[in-house]
Amino acid sequence: LAKTTQPISMDSYEGQEVNITCSHNNIATNDYITWYQQFPSQGPRFIIQGYKTKVTNEVASLFIPADRKSSTLSLPRVSLSDTAVYYCLQHGSSNTGKLIFGQGTTLQVKP
Amino acid sequence: EAQVTQNPRYLITVTGKKLTVTCSQNMNHEYMSWYRQDPGLGLRQIYYSMNVEVTDKGDVPEGYKVSRKEKRNFPLILESPSPNQTSLYFCASSLKAWASGGTTQYFGPGTRLTVL
Repeated sequence: LAKTTQPISMDSYEGQEVNITCSHNNIATNDYITWYQQFPSQGPRFIIQGYKTKVTNEVASLFIPADRKSSTLSLPRVSLSDTAVYYCLQHGSSNTGKLIFGQGTTLQVKP
Repeated sequence: EAQVTQNPRYLITVTGKKLTVTCSQNMNHEYMSWYRQDPGLGLRQIYYSMNVEVTDKGDVPEGYKVSRKEKRNFPLILESPSPNQTSLYFCASSLKAWASGGTTQYFGPGTRLTVL
């Protein structure tokens, strides 16, 4: 089954741009890539989803290279409130509901 | 308001006492799923349901049961809870399970379960 790999933790400072990269093992032709954000004691929430190249919304950008073996979530000018765990997920083409989240990346934003 | 609700939010119980955690969504989603979250292990899928009366095992199904008799509800049942099932549980739903749109998962607020 699809498995993603991402760094366990990252530190940053307020106002900096943060890039979190995820490796996608055996990503299938029709798989989409989705990123979620989770604050302590809350359920994860959707940030952004993409298939290839670049997707941008009001919160983040997602960069997916041509070979789609990785994806990078970019958070512009982070603030203390961006401190959270970030999960990447590849899914979609196997016609199954089984989903495997990685361990997530804990982002700590410092003042 | 579109949402996924779980009850109870907190539960302390004893080994062997059957319990049910309810999950309900008001978005007419086909797909629903249960996860547990433990420190250092991220989110692990317990069971999922592609639609009414269709359920299947996730990564860690042992000790759990589910049912999907109605589209909006997906209860998680622990027939004989044990201390290793102490965890934070999340229910989630999405329009469909696979891509081509509609795969954004909406998560509930979580249920913190302690089994003594």
